[in-house]
Amino acid sequence: ILNVEQSPQSLHVQEGDSTNFTCSFPSSNFYALHWYRWETAKSPEALFVMTLNGDEKKKGRISATLNTKEGYSYLYIKGSQPEDSATYLCGTSYGKLTFGQGTILTVHP
Amino acid sequence: EPEVTQTPSHQVTQMGQEVILRCVPISNHLYFYWYRQILGQKVEFLVSFYNNEISEKSEIFDDQFSVERPDGSNFTLKIRSTKLEDSAMYFCASSPPTTNEKLFFGSGTQLSVL
Repeated sequence: ILNVEQSPQSLHVQEGDSTNFTCSFPSSNFYALHWYRWETAKSPEALFVMTLNGDEKKKGRISATLNTKEGYSYLYIKGSQPEDSATYLCGTSYGKLTFGQGTILTVHP
Repeated sequence: EPEVTQTPSHQVTQMGQEVILRCVPISNHLYFYWYRQILGQKVEFLVSFYNNEISEKSEIFDDQFSVERPDGSNFTLKIRSTKLEDSAMYFCASSPPTTNEKLFFGSGTQLSVL
């Protein structure tokens, strides 16, 4: 993997569903993995910054895991709510922070 | 809570004109960045700035672009002669003076080049 890649590109779920998406990145020259939530008409807001292999972070119903050896991170949302609807960006920093294309999550009431 | 502010929120300009996008980072932050997103594409890194000089820049950040911190609070991005393909949402961000810190983004300036 040469770039940061996120999947799926978009996701529609029902309120109450749990969901997860993936961020893949080059495992060489890794420094830190960032997750941001970007709501429409607002600025991207940081969720997590992770650096260690096996790291897990949690913020309310949202959690993330990191595997630096194989180059991926998962973001989980438990019991999705309509207010979770946003674009979720991941990025890796080795110097500059480079983002993937984002996963657009829509949670339907 | 402190926030990064950007002005203007929208800027329309004619091709070939110069534009200056303005940002006020969070006051105790020392690292400053510009990113942009062309509609439908990834958020792209343009430049990072630390200690009054560019610390890193992307291949996008050519001689048409420049950044400046003219005083203790503002951080500006200048595009000297705008092209149609410069139309994008431009985001400023700042981060605290420690490593691996999250970035704080402004709400962006939508630049439209006609």
